[in-house]
Amino acid sequence: GNSVTQMEGPVTLSEEAFLTINCTYTATGYPSLFWYVQYPGEGLQLLLKATKADDKGSNKGFEATYRKETTSFHLEKGSVQVSDSAVYFCALSDSTGGFKTIFGAGTRLFVKA
Amino acid sequence: SAVISQKPSRDICQRGTSLTIQCQVDSQVTMMFWYRQQPGQSLTLIATANQGSEATYESGFVIDKFPISRPNLTFSTLTVSNMSPEDSSIYLCSVGQGAGTGTEAFFGQGTRLTVV
Repeated sequence: GNSVTQMEGPVTLSEEAFLTINCTYTATGYPSLFWYVQYPGEGLQLLLKATKADDKGSNKGFEATYRKETTSFHLEKGSVQVSDSAVYFCALSDSTGGFKTIFGAGTRLFVKA
Repeated sequence: SAVISQKPSRDICQRGTSLTIQCQVDSQVTMMFWYRQQPGQSLTLIATANQGSEATYESGFVIDKFPISRPNLTFSTLTVSNMSPEDSSIYLCSVGQGAGTGTEAFFGQGTRLTVV
């Protein structure tokens, strides 16, 4: 079945540091890939998405590229801010799974001033 | 995008009782999904709520424990039955929108349940 694996946290960085959170997936079809973010005390919200191979999703300075050959969708940001402290979830959805969304375990990011 | 309203937003319940969570969407959607997020954990899919047919449950979840209703294309309920402290979690309603594989999931704010 479909699954998502992402790097374990927590990840602790200083402000303006470079961020990478690794994510790989297993899927029987051709999934769409997503990064969701959950800020402390808030609900889940979509950060970015990519729907086909080589697509790059971007939002708020975050980027991720859909790499079919390595089945990966790593999240990157060039310079993190304290306000980026949150839990980040990699996820996928495809038609063979009935469009349900499968989530990775989540990676907690702490950014220090 | 879809706007999802869930209620209650939180509740504290006695063990052995049941709680019904409501999910209202501002547009008609074919499939609705119910997830559980246990403390410090990721989201686990409980079931897919299908309009006009029984819900489809994921492995480890059963209808007797989590009965689901889907009376129309904008509304669904999830009941957590005969609760125990292990059921303390955030329960989230979700809908998918889009065409083909470009579906995006939208989430309600969740129901934070504490069982004492």
